[in-house]
Amino acid sequence: DAGVIQSPRHEVTEMGQEVTLRCKPISGHNSLFWYRQTMMRGLELLIYFNNNVPIDDSGMPEDRFSAKMPNASFSTLKIQPSEPRDSAVYFCASSLAQGKAGELFFGEGSRLTVL
Amino acid sequence: AQKVTQAQTEISVVEKEDVTLDCVYETRDTTYYLFWYKQPPSGELVFLIRRNSFDEQNEISGRYSWNFQKSTSSFNFTITASQVVDSAVYFCALSRSNAGNMLTFGGGTRLMVKP
Repeated sequence: DAGVIQSPRHEVTEMGQEVTLRCKPISGHNSLFWYRQTMMRGLELLIYFNNNVPIDDSGMPEDRFSAKMPNASFSTLKIQPSEPRDSAVYFCASSLAQGKAGELFFGEGSRLTVL
Repeated sequence: AQKVTQAQTEISVVEKEDVTLDCVYETRDTTYYLFWYKQPPSGELVFLIRRNSFDEQNEISGRYSWNFQKSTSSFNFTITASQVVDSAVYFCALSRSNAGNMLTFGGGTRLMVKP
């Protein structure tokens, strides 16, 4: 079975540019999470969807960040405009909402570098 | 507020040594879940174990064992007879029982096992 698929794996962009990260969760999973990992702040939950509906977006840093889940098999995280401090690895994870608590399946991450 | 502290940022051992990774947590909840995840060099986080706050029994899975002590708010992870393939970053995490999939991660411990 395919795991969580993220694209792009690596993105280098210049400050001010728009960045879109994509995620395809595991088929059948109805919860989706976006996490950000940096050396300074570790792993931070940005936003959590359940059945395509955003449940908790309190971790989204500011208005420059937005996330959507138009259907059960696709989600995007957009940063516009990007800034150097957004450089991080962004992880998407999925799980069954009614499954085993906390058993998240992570993608391999999208490493973003903003120059 | 919930908090997970992994005081050891980096540990280096020689193959076949035993190693214990420490995890201390803070929560006001009486019921909660604790987790360990492994992040190998490939980047994706891999679920290892979940423990709920009512179950203080230690668990052993092959060379891995976990010691949950509610009295000291600790959930330590021991690898017996370490192998080079155990080299990874290990994360301890915590969630509320009514939000089992929303994890608060510790800062991680990088384990390097040398041949």
